[in-house]
Amino acid sequence: QLQLQESGPGLVKPSETLSLTCTVSGGSISSSNYYWAWIRQPPGKGLEWIGNIYYSGNTYYNPSLKSRVSMSVDTSKKQFSLKLSSVTAADTAVYYCATYPYGGSNGWNALDHWGQGTMVTVSS
Amino acid sequence: DIQMTQSPSSLSASVGDRVTITCRASQGIRNDLGWYQQKPGKAPKRLIYAASSLQSGVPSRFSGSGSGTEFTLTINSLQPEDFATYYCLQHNTYPLSFGPGTKVDIK
Repeated sequence: QLQLQESGPGLVKPSETLSLTCTVSGGSISSSNYYWAWIRQPPGKGLEWIGNIYYSGNTYYNPSLKSRVSMSVDTSKKQFSLKLSSVTAADTAVYYCATYPYGGSNGWNALDHWGQGTMVTVSS
Repeated sequence: DIQMTQSPSSLSASVGDRVTITCRASQGIRNDLGWYQQKPGKAPKRLIYAASSLQSGVPSRFSGSGSGTEFTLTINSLQPEDFATYYCLQHNTYPLSFGPGTKVDIK
């Protein structure tokens, strides 16, 4: 059973870069059957997809964040990472990592396994 | 970008009620839709994938239907543990997009 765990600083100063890591256990981060995803949720609000990354490094980003987002994969550490630059208070949110699984003949399936989430506050 | 809407935004229901939540996409997404349940302080949990396939381990009182632009999540005989917020997610086209959520609380 795949398990994901987010980690990183809980407090980031405005204009700095938010950096988070998701550690994968119970499965291979190099599997061709998954994209690895980041999603966020501001306090009291809905869910926003940030982006996906494949083990090969192929990425898709939300255009609303694309100029500030970068994702990477470290297969040796079984981790994938998110960097969000030039943060403001609007980036304060719970950040989740999740799997975007391949469903076979039906193509890709809806986001499946989720981490527990990590709260990041942007404040000086 | 594909916009997802949900109705209602909130509803009050009693244990044993049948509840229906609707999700609409701004353009056709085939059946590339999932439904999620989220409880306060917890990560979303996938209930339905491919619009109508029940996630393993999810009670059979949950069901999904629809294709194209209109989708429904039905909860038959609402249970106390079902009071939560429900989201739909389209993954037909990047950027992936969620509906704004439907909060189900106790009448």
